[in-house]
Amino acid sequence: DAKTTQPNSMESNEEEPVHLPCNHSTISGTDYIHWYRQLPSQGPEYVIHGLTSNVNNRMASLAIAEDRKSSTLILHRATLRDAAVYYCILHSIQGAQKLVFGQGTRLTINP
Amino acid sequence: EPEVTQTPSHQVTQMGQEVILRCVPISNHLYFYWYRQILGQKVEFLVSFYNNEISEKSEIFDDQFSVERPDGSNFTLKIRSTKLEDSAMYFCASRVPSGRAFGEQFFGPGTRLTVL
Repeated sequence: DAKTTQPNSMESNEEEPVHLPCNHSTISGTDYIHWYRQLPSQGPEYVIHGLTSNVNNRMASLAIAEDRKSSTLILHRATLRDAAVYYCILHSIQGAQKLVFGQGTRLTINP
Repeated sequence: EPEVTQTPSHQVTQMGQEVILRCVPISNHLYFYWYRQILGQKVEFLVSFYNNEISEKSEIFDDQFSVERPDGSNFTLKIRSTKLEDSAMYFCASRVPSGRAFGEQFFGPGTRLTVL
């Protein structure tokens, strides 16, 4: 499974944008970049995914580098509810499509 | 909005006992998963299940573990003889059939298993 590298923790203030980086230099052509998050005492929750182009949804935006070796999850206006562990996961559409979680980035939001 | 449900929310058992963790996946989903998370550690894949058989399993999923979809709605994880190190949060997940460009997985709230 291709690996990702994320900072262990980040901190931001409420109502400010947050940029969560992820490096995935060994990404293959069939790997999608997925982001999940895990709020305290809850199961993981899908956030967004992309392949090559930048993506937006109601939760976040995903900016993917041109060479696909890195990506950034963008929370445009963080709220206290966004405090969670964010996981960047490379996800192949082949096979059973298991998710391989790393340690993720623990995001703290200050009021 | 449809969701994955899991029961019980917390299970306490004695070492050596059998436990069954239950999950009700989202109704039109066809791929099912179990993951676990030991306290303070990362989420780990255990097993995936499709078309009434295991499609992939991890090294953690040894002979003490089994999965079943007994009635078309429930998806269960059985641990035959629990060990102290099985204490963890167990998450069930499901996703829509393949054919979509990606497989967003929907996770349940988890069952906390405590082995004494």
